[in-house]
Amino acid sequence: QVQLQESGPGLVKPSETLSLTCAVSGASISSYYWSWIRQPPGKGLEWIGYIYYSGSTNYNPSLKSRVTISVDTSKNQVSLKLSSVTAADTAVYYCARLEVVVPATMPGVADYWGQGTLVTVSS
Amino acid sequence: DIQMTQSPSSLSASVGDRVTITCRASQGISKYLAWFQQKPGKAPKSLIYAASSLQRGVPSKFSGSGSGTDFTLTISSLQPEDFATYYCQQYNTYPLTFGGGTKVEIK
Repeated sequence: QVQLQESGPGLVKPSETLSLTCAVSGASISSYYWSWIRQPPGKGLEWIGYIYYSGSTNYNPSLKSRVTISVDTSKNQVSLKLSSVTAADTAVYYCARLEVVVPATMPGVADYWGQGTLVTVSS
Repeated sequence: DIQMTQSPSSLSASVGDRVTITCRASQGISKYLAWFQQKPGKAPKSLIYAASSLQRGVPSKFSGSGSGTDFTLTISSLQPEDFATYYCQQYNTYPLTFGGGTKVEIK
């Protein structure tokens, strides 16, 4: 059974960097794409980006200048860093496994999700 | 970015009702559409991909249809566990984008 578990500080100060980790169990991180998705309280879902185990990434242009997603294959973990945060970055952050579903040739469907972690940006 | 518009944004229905939710893409996305169910305080759950293919373990009361720009999610007979918010998502083009959600409430 694939399980994803996000962890990191629940409170980040404005202008600082948000850092989260996603621990993956039940699946090798080297076989799939891994994504971060966020959801502001009471609002909809926003895709942040994905990473492949090789290090190849694809980011949402709206966040690209501030986002870094990385992978640690030895720990089976994926990480997210979001710099220069503001109150608008307050959200539940989810990590998810992203599938390549035929006939698509690139990853696009999140089939397994972590339970999410709430990050509040406030001084 | 491709804009995904869901309608209605909320609906009230009774147990046993047939419910249909619509999702429209701002440009053609072939069949690269997924549906998710989200219950309060929980992560979204993948229901359907490729517009009409059920994820493993998802009951057949859920069905999806459509291609191009117009898509529907149908729940054939609403049960208490189906009251939730449903989201569509396109994966034809990056960035991946989601609809605003449809909240299905008990009448």
